[in-house]
Formats: sequence, structure tokens, C-alpha cells
Amino acid sequence: AQSVTQLDSQVPVFEEAPVELRCNYSSSVSVYLFWYVQYPNQGLQLLLKYLSGSTLVKGINGFEAEFNKSQTSFHLRKPSVHISDTAEYFCAVSPPGGYQKVTFGTGTKLQVIP
Amino acid sequence: EAGVTQFPSHSVIEKGQTVTLRCDPISGHDNLYWYRRVMGKEIKFLLHFVKESKQDESGMPNNRFLAERTGGTYSTLKVQPAELEDSGVYFCASSQVGTGSPLGDGYTFGSGTRLTVV
Repeated sequence: AQSVTQLDSQVPVFEEAPVELRCNYSSSVSVYLFWYVQYPNQGLQLLLKYLSGSTLVKGINGFEAEFNKSQTSFHLRKPSVHISDTAEYFCAVSPPGGYQKVTFGTGTKLQVIP
Repeated sequence: EAGVTQFPSHSVIEKGQTVTLRCDPISGHDNLYWYRRVMGKEIKFLLHFVKESKQDESGMPNNRFLAERTGGTYSTLKVQPAELEDSGVYFCASSQVGTGSPLGDGYTFGSGTRLTVV
């Protein structure tokens, strides 16, 4: 069984400041890791994913995440946030193989303060 | 290209009533998934269709939930009779390739149906 923990339910940050959203996972097998974002009144959109290879993954909108196997973490970072980044962010895992179901975390609401 | 369409966007029903949610995936996407998010909690997997066949329905809560996918196109999720704990946001997603494929972007999600049972 797999699980995802997002310890921070809400993260307020001032505009143009850096941000890190934390994600830890638990799995007995290797995993694929994802970050999704949900803007108000929209569906979830894939920000980035880690399948294998380089542990630093770059995604859309200037976000990046680093896979740390020893710490079972996949934290999401952005060096300078914008008002438009205000949204809810979900970390997720799935077993390798492609068509497996995805397990999501509880989400982190990022509030960017002008 | 049209995205994944879900309707209704909101539904308020009384306990004991029946509600049917619909999902239209992206044309050509064989894989269709239903997920649910109960208020403030994680998004949980309900089931996965490949074309018209149920590939994995391990997440369906109980037999009050019935999912169908007619002809491998759109899908419906019926809740009958609805209970208070069924309230939440129901998401549908579709994909042509697997979530782990470097060729694709994984799932494309719809905007969800917010179901409130009172």
C-alpha cells in the first residue's frame, strides 16, 4: 500500500518570496511521483512528475521538485511566487507501470499575499 | 481539443434520492477514472475503465455506487440511495497513455461535480 503525507494544509507566502510545499510518501516499492495543481473552479492540472533519472524535476510555471529517496520526500519549490500561483497543490504517487491508480495527499492551499 | 467535461457542476439532493453524474472524456482516451474528494481530505480513487470494461473498481465505497461506460465513450456514476457521507467533489479523469509514460501528461481531469447530500 502507498500513502502520501502533506503536512501543511495551508501555506501563506508573500508575493515574490520563495515557497516550498512539503510532500512525504510511503511505499514498499518504487514509485512514480506527481504534483498536481487545482486553481479555483478548475480541474486538477499536472505540474510535474518524476518517473526515473534525474532527481530534480522541472515543471510548468517555474515550479520544480526534488525526489529524495532516502527521506522519501518530493518537495515542491518555486523561487518567486506570483498572485496567480494561489491554488491548491496535491502531491501524488503511483506504482510504476503506467496505468496504476494514483494515491493523492490531502492537498496544500498556497495563498500568495500581495 | 475539448477537455474532460463533467456535469452537473453542482448537485444538491436529499438523503435517499438518486443522483447520476456524467463524465465525457477526451475523445480517443481509452482510460477513464473516477475519483472523489470528501471535504478537506485526500482525493481517493474510485474506479478505472479501459474502454467499456472496469479495470479496477477497488475504490468503490459500497453497492450504492454504480459506474458505467457506454460503448467506451462517456461514463456515468450513479449513487442510489444517496447518504450524507456521499457528499464531496467527484472528479473524472481520462488518459490515452499511462500516468508513467514519458509520452503523456498523465491524467486530464475534469472540473468535478460537487455533490451535497442534505
